[in-house]
Amino acid sequence: GESVGLHLPTLSVQEGDNSIINCAYSNSASDYFIWYKQESGKGPQFIIDIRSNMDKRQGQRVTVLLNKTVKHLSLQIAATQPGDSAVYFCAENQGAQKLVFGQGTRLTINP
Amino acid sequence: EADIYQTPRYLVIGTGKKITLECSQTMGHDKMYWYQQDPGMELHLIHYSYGVNSTEKGDLSSESTVSRIRTEHFPLTLESARPSHTSQYLCASSDPRTKNIQYFGAGTRLSVL
Repeated sequence: GESVGLHLPTLSVQEGDNSIINCAYSNSASDYFIWYKQESGKGPQFIIDIRSNMDKRQGQRVTVLLNKTVKHLSLQIAATQPGDSAVYFCAENQGAQKLVFGQGTRLTINP
Repeated sequence: EADIYQTPRYLVIGTGKKITLECSQTMGHDKMYWYQQDPGMELHLIHYSYGVNSTEKGDLSSESTVSRIRTEHFPLTLESARPSHTSQYLCASSDPRTKNIQYFGAGTRLSVL
């Protein structure tokens, strides 16, 4: 079946370094993708989105890259801070505003 | 910060009890959703609603039921809780005016003994 998956379940980076979190998707018809951040004890929080007619979108300290050829999505976080520690999910819109979420990557920031 | 609220935040109950998890949003969103999430794992859609009097089953089979009598309120009910229902339940809402981005509540962590 169709799925959204993440390459790595955990990622540890040094404070101040850049982080890259990857996501693979399999539904080539998906037209919209969202990255969420979930801190411990909280619900997922919207970070950034991208439509399939774009290959890059930038926000504040975050950039999402979309490669439709290989069905790959990535979230880049610049100058990682302790507050960036969380689980990050990519989500794929499969129509009718139904999102399919990936497994999640836990990002840990080392001081 | 999204205006979507879930109560209770934590609930520990015995097997066989009937429970209702509350979800309310003050954003006027038509679409609302319930997800089930085990710690650190992906979210699974169990119910959603397009608006008042609309309820649909999600991708993950669930023994829970939902109702949507008012736009702002989307409660989830378990008639007879079992240990297999132990999980976190997340409510979300979305609207075309905000690109249908789903905004989530803080969740209810349910433990059934």
